[in-house]
Amino acid sequence: DAKTTQPTSMDCAEGRAANLPCNHSTISGNEYVYWYRQIHSQGPQYIIHGLKNNETNEMASLIITEDRKSSTLILPHATLRDTAVYYCIVRSTSGTYKYIFGTGTRLKVLA
Amino acid sequence: GAVVSQHPSRVICKSGTSVKIECRSLDFQATTMFWYRQFPKQSLMLMATSNEGSKATYEQGVEKDKFLINHASLTLSTLTVTSAHPEDSSFYICSVTQGNEQFFGPGTRLTVL
Repeated sequence: DAKTTQPTSMDCAEGRAANLPCNHSTISGNEYVYWYRQIHSQGPQYIIHGLKNNETNEMASLIITEDRKSSTLILPHATLRDTAVYYCIVRSTSGTYKYIFGTGTRLKVLA
Repeated sequence: GAVVSQHPSRVICKSGTSVKIECRSLDFQATTMFWYRQFPKQSLMLMATSNEGSKATYEQGVEKDKFLINHASLTLSTLTVTSAHPEDSSFYICSVTQGNEQFFGPGTRLTVL
């Protein structure tokens, strides 16, 4: 079973920050949090990942709570091209590194 | 990151025939590849882990005799859907692991008539 829960859908105005929450209350100490997105009929695209510290790259920021039971992906200035399904995934740091996808959040960026 | 291709991008076949889908890691030697299936408006479901030079590891509920996986080289894994039926119509996606990340192919849309 997926180890994450996310809201089914969200809307965001173009140019505003999109904040996508994820709950992973059963995460263990050796598990990373990954975020991917999938634009319609394409393969998922990597966005960002983290273990316990907040992370930032050219696409997004990842904020992980101190107890690591939840996280938020932030797209600082959403554009229409950011409309996609966003998946939060918890993955072990050892083993086969397989991903179990949850239902994801369908983000719609509105003009 | 790793560049992953799939062939074909879409295929239509008749019920009862077999279809082979190729997944290639273009710039990276992948000892492990993953195969996923995605039905419309649903999430990706992991089908199996493909291991170079050995048997694939299938997830619970996935029929290994129906979905044949061959990972004969470090850059190629194939998924063969045997005796396909309309309920096998889906979007099939592969991925490779490089470092701490998985990189996904563009997917193959299978339609079984």
